[in-house]
Amino acid sequence: DIQMTQSPSSLSASVGDRVTITCRASQGISNYLAWYQQKPGKVPKLLIYAASTLQSGVPSRFSGSGSGTDFTLTISSLQPEDVATYYCQKYNSALFTFGPGTKVDIK
Amino acid sequence: EVQLVESGGGLVQPGGSLRLSCAASGFTFSSYAMSWVRQAPGKGLEWVSAISGSGGSTYYADSVKGRFTISRDNSKNTLYLQMNSLRAEDTAVYYCAKDQGRGYSYGDYYMDVWGKGTTVTVSS
Repeated sequence: DIQMTQSPSSLSASVGDRVTITCRASQGISNYLAWYQQKPGKVPKLLIYAASTLQSGVPSRFSGSGSGTDFTLTISSLQPEDVATYYCQKYNSALFTFGPGTKVDIK
Repeated sequence: EVQLVESGGGLVQPGGSLRLSCAASGFTFSSYAMSWVRQAPGKGLEWVSAISGSGGSTYYADSVKGRFTISRDNSKNTLYLQMNSLRAEDTAVYYCAKDQGRGYSYGDYYMDVWGKGTTVTVSS
């Protein structure tokens, strides 16, 4: 089975900082990767699919890149409302596994 | 407005059974694959199961295979998760989610709409 890892597990950054989260697959998954945001006490929200396609309505400060085994989610200018846990998910084949998550908060 | 409303959660003893339901509205239900995702208290998201729009293809996480059964009734716009032989480690909030496409290919199985979840607690 393909395993998904994320790094870091948590980070603290200042408002306006550029934040990068990494997701790695144990085998190549082409670009079949999605990113989700889950704010505290809320339901997960789709941010990005196909590794780099922004879901409708998601602010343009979010971007995704990568292919194969290594992927990144970037927040170009961190905002207070971005405090959340971010998850990657692979969907190249069943099982549609999530990564363990990266918790982002404000310094 | 696309809406997913889960129900059927509750407290059940280890070894017991429970059936979750997810009522869908605001979209053509049969045209989309659907998934169940769970989140144990204080933990991350865990994909549980998925089903194609027609119901002809089903997928399960190893942790639930042989114990859980996903199904759908397209005439009722409802998704189900039958959970048998429940264990303490199945305790979680269970989310119903709409996938992006019909489920003809794996590329359809990412989730663009989520319900608010229903809580399952397995305890004696």
